[in-house]
Amino acid sequence: AQKITQTQPGMFVQEKEAVTLDCTYDTSDPSYGLFWYKQPSSGEMIFLIYQGSYDQQNATEGRYSLNFQKARKSANLVISASQLGDSAMYFCAMREGLQNAGNMLTFGGGTRLMVKP
Amino acid sequence: GAVVSQHPSRVICKSGTSVKIECRSLDFQATTMFWYRQFPKQSLMLMATSNEGSKATYEQGVEKDKFLINHASLTLSTLTVTSAHPEDSSFYICSARDLKRGSPLHFGNGTRLTVT
Repeated sequence: AQKITQTQPGMFVQEKEAVTLDCTYDTSDPSYGLFWYKQPSSGEMIFLIYQGSYDQQNATEGRYSLNFQKARKSANLVISASQLGDSAMYFCAMREGLQNAGNMLTFGGGTRLMVKP
Repeated sequence: GAVVSQHPSRVICKSGTSVKIECRSLDFQATTMFWYRQFPKQSLMLMATSNEGSKATYEQGVEKDKFLINHASLTLSTLTVTSAHPEDSSFYICSARDLKRGSPLHFGNGTRLTVT
């Protein structure tokens, strides 16, 4: 079974508007972390935002916020005020286990976001 | 600035040759590094977990004799693609985590391998 599911292979958004990228996950581990990474066409992975399973509040980092709904096992990324430079692939990822463990990440299939001028 | 350095960023080699990719953590020690492979327009798939001073742990379906991993120091892991074939052409990316700072995984900039 897929551990991380991103159901939107591609999305368009108008510049300056907000967009939500969906991510659902599956784990039986009570300790886990959820991550969003941006991958521009050049290939590097850019860390955007992190949400721990025990965090009470939704994570926010500038224009990025994570809509964490634990009961639904969803961790959607919201990008506000989209910019042309936001056009990229976006990956949701999960680390199972304690935060201080160097555990690997499992990635979703990604969503390609295209921002229209 | 970059905290994980990966080299080379691009490499073209002929079938049958071997290619070494280096992954360095720049300002922290990484007892564990991860190697991922990414096919065009697809997600990252974990290939192996590189452990300093011990053998790497390979994911199912990854040939350990083909993808040699050496984690000789706390700041360097290498992936060697041996006897490369065109189907090995892919984007390889490493990652590591600074456990002392509790940071998320940092990724190298990746290596685009083309085997002709």
